[in-house]
Amino acid sequence: DVVMTQSPLSLPVTLGQPASISCRSSQSLVYSDGNTYLDWFQQRPGQSPRRLIYKVSNRDSGVPDRFSGSGSGTDFTLKISRVEAEDVGVYYCMHGTHWPFTFGQGTKLEIK
Amino acid sequence: EVQLVESGGGLVRPGGSLRLSCAASGFTFSGYWMSWVRQAPGKGLEWVANIKQDGSDKYYVDSVRGRFTVSRDNGENSLYLQLNSLRVEDTAVYYCARDTGQRSVDYWGQGTLVTVSS
Repeated sequence: DVVMTQSPLSLPVTLGQPASISCRSSQSLVYSDGNTYLDWFQQRPGQSPRRLIYKVSNRDSGVPDRFSGSGSGTDFTLKISRVEAEDVGVYYCMHGTHWPFTFGQGTKLEIK
Repeated sequence: EVQLVESGGGLVRPGGSLRLSCAASGFTFSGYWMSWVRQAPGKGLEWVANIKQDGSDKYYVDSVRGRFTVSRDNGENSLYLQLNSLRVEDTAVYYCARDTGQRSVDYWGQGTLVTVSS
């Protein structure tokens, strides 16, 4: 199985400051169709996960533009340009390139 | 509005069985792959299974293969997960999710808690 490794696992951030989460995969996530199936999910306390970003850098409808995704191959990043209080929660990367799809361990973002 | 509502969770003894259901609405259910993802208490997310639109293709994570069975009824807009030979480590919230057909999921239900304990 592809192992997804996130860092940091805990991310205290001051309101209005930027935040960055890294996700590395144990194998390339480039699929045979040329696409890279790497997504980012946000899980707020007590809620179900919500997809933010799909195929590395595409923002889902309704996701604020302060969220952005980048990367290629095995190395990916989620950036929040200015953290707001509603961004508190756990962030997961997930790949859909090889079965079984797997998630990173999660990064807990909290406000300092 | 897309809605996914899971039910069927509960407390079961090791070795027991349970059947989870997911009622879908707000989209053409028969046009989408569907998935089950679980989350153990205080832990991360784990993909469990997914099923093709017509039920002809199914995939399972190794830890549940042979014990869990995913199925669907397109006439009832419902997704199911039969859990047999349950183990303590199967304790989790089980989420139903809509597969986008692009190797991802976009909508999730609120989850149903399965607790395996003696």
